[in-house]
Amino acid sequence: DAGITQSPRHKVTETGTPVTLRCHQTENHRYMYWYRQDPGHGLRLIHYSYGVKDTDKGEVSDGYSVSRSKTEDFLLTLESATSSQTSVYFCAIRGDRGLDTGELFFGEGSRLTVL
Amino acid sequence: AQSVTQPDIHITVSEGASLELRCNYSYGATPYLFWYVQSPGQGLQLLLKYFSGDTLVQGIKGFEAEFKRSQSSFNLRKPSVHWSDAAEYFCAVVARYGGATNKLIFGTGTLLAVQP
Repeated sequence: DAGITQSPRHKVTETGTPVTLRCHQTENHRYMYWYRQDPGHGLRLIHYSYGVKDTDKGEVSDGYSVSRSKTEDFLLTLESATSSQTSVYFCAIRGDRGLDTGELFFGEGSRLTVL
Repeated sequence: AQSVTQPDIHITVSEGASLELRCNYSYGATPYLFWYVQSPGQGLQLLLKYFSGDTLVQGIKGFEAEFKRSQSSFNLRKPSVHWSDAAEYFCAVVARYGGATNKLIFGTGTLLAVQP
C-alpha cells in the first residue's frame, strides 16, 4: 500500500464549472504527479511537483493548474471544465527511497465526467 | 525525447497459453524500464522493473521481461496465462538522470483478453 488517497473517486460536473481533485499521500515523498488516462493514449502527464510550492507542466497541461502547499497534498484544478477533460485522473508518487529509479506508485484514480 | 511503443493494442490468448507483450523504447542510453498492470477500475500496479544487471528480470504473478539493448525492447512474457491475467498492460521508460525532470513516459497500453 503506497499510502495514496484520491478524492473524489467519481465526479460528474457540467461544462464551465470549476473542479478540484485532491491527492493525499502519507509517505512524505517529494515528487508527486498527475496523469490522465484516455483510451488509445495511455497515461499522459499533466503536471508534477518536486516539492512544496514547486510545480511544473507536463505534456498536456493546458486547462489545468496545480498547487502543493503541503508535502502530503497535491491538488489538480480545472478552472472551467470542458467535455474534453472527461477522463480518469491518476495521482502518483515517486519512490525516492534509496536508488531513484523513477518508479511510481499510483492512486486508484478519479473518474471525471464533464457533461 | 524518450518514447515508448506498444504495437499491440489488443491481444487475446487462451488460458494456459504463453504470452508475450511487446514494448520498444526510444532513448539514447540505457533507461530504466517498467511494466505496469491495470485491472478494470483499478490503479496501476508495478509488475517488474529493469535498471541494471541481469537483462532478464522476474516480476510478480509469474511475469518476466527481457531487456534487449540491440533491439531497444523490453518484452513482457508469461509461460502460462491465467484468466485473472486479463487486464491492461503498460510499458514505461524513464531516463537515468535524476532530479525533477526525470519523468516516467508510458506506452499506450495493450489490453489482454483471456479465453477459457
